[in-house]
Amino acid sequence: DAGVIQSPRHEVTEMGQEVTLRCKPISGHNSLFWYRQTMMRGLELLIYFNNNVPIDDSGMPEDRFSAKMPNASFSTLKIQPSEPRDSAVYFCASGEGRLTEQFFGPGTRLTVL
Amino acid sequence: TQLLEQSPQFLSIQEGENLTVYCNSSSVFSSLQWYRQEPGEGPVLLVTVVTGGEVKKLKRLTFQFGDARKDSSLHITAAQTGDTGLYLCAGTNFGNEKLTFGTGTRLTIIP
Repeated sequence: DAGVIQSPRHEVTEMGQEVTLRCKPISGHNSLFWYRQTMMRGLELLIYFNNNVPIDDSGMPEDRFSAKMPNASFSTLKIQPSEPRDSAVYFCASGEGRLTEQFFGPGTRLTVL
Repeated sequence: TQLLEQSPQFLSIQEGENLTVYCNSSSVFSSLQWYRQEPGEGPVLLVTVVTGGEVKKLKRLTFQFGDARKDSSLHITAAQTGDTGLYLCAGTNFGNEKLTFGTGTRLTIIP
């Protein structure tokens, strides 16, 4: 298995632009998680899905952030409009459910100028 | 909000030495996981502990879950340069698959 796939690996954009991050979870996993990692705040959970349904989005910072999971093999995290404080590494992870391992993708490093 | 504080934040030691890093909270967790993250990659699971007082060994790594399920420790014996990385603890709550990650310990092993 190729593991969790994220694209792009790096994104540099200007303030105000729309940014879309993509994730393909491991086949057969029914949970998908989006995280953000910064030096100041560490690794924070933004939102997670179970069987394609959003379960907890309490970590989404504000309305500029949205996430979708249209099917079991694809999810997007969108930021519109982007701001410099959104600069971070965004990770997608998938898992098989409670108490099991979460498998992380390589991350997308986002820089908003 | 549940917080997991890790200490030390940074640790740099010589190859061959022993070390312990800590993960503490005022909240009770149903289980606790330890991950290691290398530069440019996502975290990778090392171990899951689920029972208060549980001790698990993974080669030179020993993990302990506190009796009260509020804290955990990771002990590394005879550290190697390959142990270098960011160590993260993460707790889960009963009936919930959401992970709360700790603040992290950045470990550097000097050859």
